Amino acid sequence: AQKITQTQPGMFVQEKEAVTLDCTYDTSDPSYGLFWYKQPSSGEMIFLIYQGSYDQQNATEGRYSLNFQKARKSANLVISASQLGDSAMYFCAMRSDRGSTLGRLYFGRGTQLTVWP
Amino acid sequence: EAGVVQSPRYKIIEKKQPVAFWCNPISGHNTLYWYRQNLGQGPELLIRYENEEAVDDSQLPKDRFSAERLKGVDSTLKIQPAELGDSAVYLCASSPHNPAPSQIFGPGTRLTVL
Repeated sequence: AQKITQTQPGMFVQEKEAVTLDCTYDTSDPSYGLFWYKQPSSGEMIFLIYQGSYDQQNATEGRYSLNFQKARKSANLVISASQLGDSAMYFCAMRSDRGSTLGRLYFGRGTQLTVWP
Repeated sequence: EAGVVQSPRYKIIEKKQPVAFWCNPISGHNTLYWYRQNLGQGPELLIRYENEEAVDDSQLPKDRFSAERLKGVDSTLKIQPAELGDSAVYLCASSPHNPAPSQIFGPGTRLTVL
């Protein structure tokens, strides 16, 4: 079964500092995708970054990078130079690449990030 | 380009009443997803469409939930009758194809069942 674990219910970081949000996953499939989404208090899910299971290099998108360690089944999100506007809930998700569930995203329970001045 | 559009944004109904949610995906996106997000949890897939065909609906409670995407563009999700436990945010997402390196979500519909 596909499972995503986010062990940090809440994280605090000072503005301009870097922060790492943890994510581990469990799958027996050889092919899958890993995503991070941001959900502000307004409720929309904002796509941040994607990593394919066969990608050799860690994905980066601006201030976001995904620290992908395949053997450890971890996909941590690193946010550099935190900004007050980064305060939100962050969800890690895994995409199934298997048969009838192809494309289905499995989400963790999220980590609430608070950036303080 | 316009994002995924959902309406209504908020809906309050009494239990046993019907309710419907509408989603218009990004133009050209063939794959459409409906997710449900309960309070304090991540979203869970209800149904996935490839064009007009529902190809992953194993998690849709078919006794009370139904969905359609008649022309392979916009989609409607219906609940009849609603129960208290249906209170949640209903999110629609789309992608150009499947699998894709991103699924773009709409703003969601927050349903409250009294």
